[in-house]
Amino acid sequence: EVQLVESGGGLVQPGGSLRLSCAASGFTFNNNWMSWVRQAPGKGLEWVANIKQDGSEKYYVDSVKGRFIISRDNAKNSVYLQMNSLRAEDTALYYCARVGGGSGWRFDYWGQGTLVTVSS
Amino acid sequence: SYELTQPPSVSVSPGQTASITCSGDKLGDKYVSWYQQKPGQSPVLVIYQDNKRPSGIPERLSGSNSGNTATLTISGTQAMDEADYYCQAWDSSTVVFGGGTQLTVL
Repeated sequence: EVQLVESGGGLVQPGGSLRLSCAASGFTFNNNWMSWVRQAPGKGLEWVANIKQDGSEKYYVDSVKGRFIISRDNAKNSVYLQMNSLRAEDTALYYCARVGGGSGWRFDYWGQGTLVTVSS
Repeated sequence: SYELTQPPSVSVSPGQTASITCSGDKLGDKYVSWYQQKPGQSPVLVIYQDNKRPSGIPERLSGSNSGNTATLTISGTQAMDEADYYCQAWDSSTVVFGGGTQLTVL
């Protein structure tokens, strides 16, 4: 059974940093792209970042470029999101999601999310 | 940047057919996925590659994509289908979600 378990969320002041982690199990982790998707309270889904199987390619939504860094450790079956220079508008539930294989881009498994609150 | 547009809300009577649209420039040239999200839960993939269903998704959920519009159709809508639905596509190495549609089963 595929499982994705996020951790690392919490309350942080504007300008602060936070590192999210996602522990994966139930599949061969280094076979899949991985992503972070967030959802602000009462709002829709927003893709944040993707990382290729070997970490050689990374992509970000414009609003986090230069502030967030996605990474992975295939030996630990984990993907991370380092968030720096946090802003109030980064407040959201952050989901870790597995990218399905084959043609087309889809998120076939999602974690339960970890809540990040940016406030003074 | 690429944008996907969905109606904010759709209402349907139980047993009837609900259609939720997603529009974007030349969307038919891209693969579209759909997600269902119920309150307090994580999103669930219900349609991928325009019209494929993951295992466990009922046959009454179907998808199509042509021109500038993708459509999620729910036939014989049930109370359990009441949820938010999001379309999603991939464009130029980035992922785009529609704004979401709240489906109400009256």
